[in-house]
Amino acid sequence: NAGVTQTPKFQVLKTGQSMTLQCAQDMNHEYMSWYRQDPGMGLRLIHYSVGAGITDQGEVPNGYNVSRSTTEDFPLRLLSAAPSQTSVYFCASSPLGGQGAGNEQFFGPGTRLTVL
Amino acid sequence: GNSVTQMEGPVTLSEEAFLTINCTYTATGYPSLFWYVQYPGEGLQLLLKATKADDKGSNKGFEATYRKETTSFHLEKGSVQVSDSAVYFCALMDSSYKLIFGSGTRLLVRP
Repeated sequence: NAGVTQTPKFQVLKTGQSMTLQCAQDMNHEYMSWYRQDPGMGLRLIHYSVGAGITDQGEVPNGYNVSRSTTEDFPLRLLSAAPSQTSVYFCASSPLGGQGAGNEQFFGPGTRLTVL
Repeated sequence: GNSVTQMEGPVTLSEEAFLTINCTYTATGYPSLFWYVQYPGEGLQLLLKATKADDKGSNKGFEATYRKETTSFHLEKGSVQVSDSAVYFCALMDSSYKLIFGSGTRLLVRP
């Protein structure tokens, strides 16, 4: 199993450009989520999904869109990038069975995004 | 809303010293509690977890006990190694499946 994969690893954008960060998992996990990591602020939840066709907002959803058309993929879209979106982005997945909210989340390696 | 507070870092220790990283939380209901570790340049890995009050999570010599009366989940290790140098995150997840992290504590262990 590849686990959770993210592409690209690095990206530089200009203000106002759009892009999609890709996230895929091959573990058949129902739950997927996106976080941003900023110095001194830990990881903050952007959006999450508990299954295909279902998404919901986290702590910091503004400026980001998501969709979940398949179990495997959970792309994060920036429609008009801003310098405040410079960050490291992590995708994660977990099963919902068993311990549910007590299950481990598996994290991807991250995408480092710089917006100029 | 739910929140997690953990001690500011960096924490600098000599090898074989005792480690404590404090973590307290605010939550409604009965969240699950986690410690994740991030090594330089990598994503996060689960270190240990506890899903109900008085549970003790343990892994690789680290342990933490879910204390509902003090809303705490402090991380401890009896003898740290240089290889334990990393950033440690305390987190909670409630029944709405939102995982909330603390700000992270950087640990540096010197030989």
